[in-house]
Amino acid sequence: KQEVTQIPAALSVPEGENLVLNCSFTDSAIYNLQWFRQDPGKGLTSLLLIQSSQREQTSGRLNASLDKSSGRSTLYIAASQPGDSATYLCAVTGVPMDSSYKLIFGSGTRLLVRP
Amino acid sequence: DVKVTQSSRYLVKRTGEKVFLECVQDMDHENMFWYRQDPGLGLRLIYFSYDVKMKEKGDIPEGYSVSREKKERFSLILESASTNQTSMYLCASITGGAGGQARNEQYFGPGTRLTVT
Repeated sequence: KQEVTQIPAALSVPEGENLVLNCSFTDSAIYNLQWFRQDPGKGLTSLLLIQSSQREQTSGRLNASLDKSSGRSTLYIAASQPGDSATYLCAVTGVPMDSSYKLIFGSGTRLLVRP
Repeated sequence: DVKVTQSSRYLVKRTGEKVFLECVQDMDHENMFWYRQDPGLGLRLIYFSYDVKMKEKGDIPEGYSVSREKKERFSLILESASTNQTSMYLCASITGGAGGQARNEQYFGPGTRLTVT
């Protein structure tokens, strides 16, 4: 059974720092991996999606990497800003069966960027 | 842009009431999902549907049912609400097709915070 773990559970950094959030998964047979952002009381916003055949994806100050063989992904945030404060969730999709794409989520990393 | 909408942001119901949570997506996605999110437990899949009138149980289906009569709409039903169903409910959709170029990115609605008293 696939399990997704995110470390650390919470992180507080001063503005301007570069930081790395970690995600690990137990079954390397994944279809893709997705990073989401969630603000308090809100839904999830997709940040980056990495297909199983890819090694990384970039969007602005965000870079996500995927090492399927070791079951790891990292989300790198450059030059952090207070507006980056949120919970970041990692989720994997297993190889789809019956045309379904179930996501297995990690428990998230709560990030606080201090001004 | 994909848009997933949910009928209510906040909902307060009494124990024993029948509750309907509606989700609508406007991108012709085949797959739709209902999750609940609770502190310390993360997101857990309740039900999903990969086609009209098709439904599959997720990890925690007990106490819930679903309806998918039209492709764009996926409803979550609490037949008799209980206090342990107080939670944030999130709907999501994703395009189907295991074709090589499909991105299969899952999009979420804003969530419904349900309180059962």
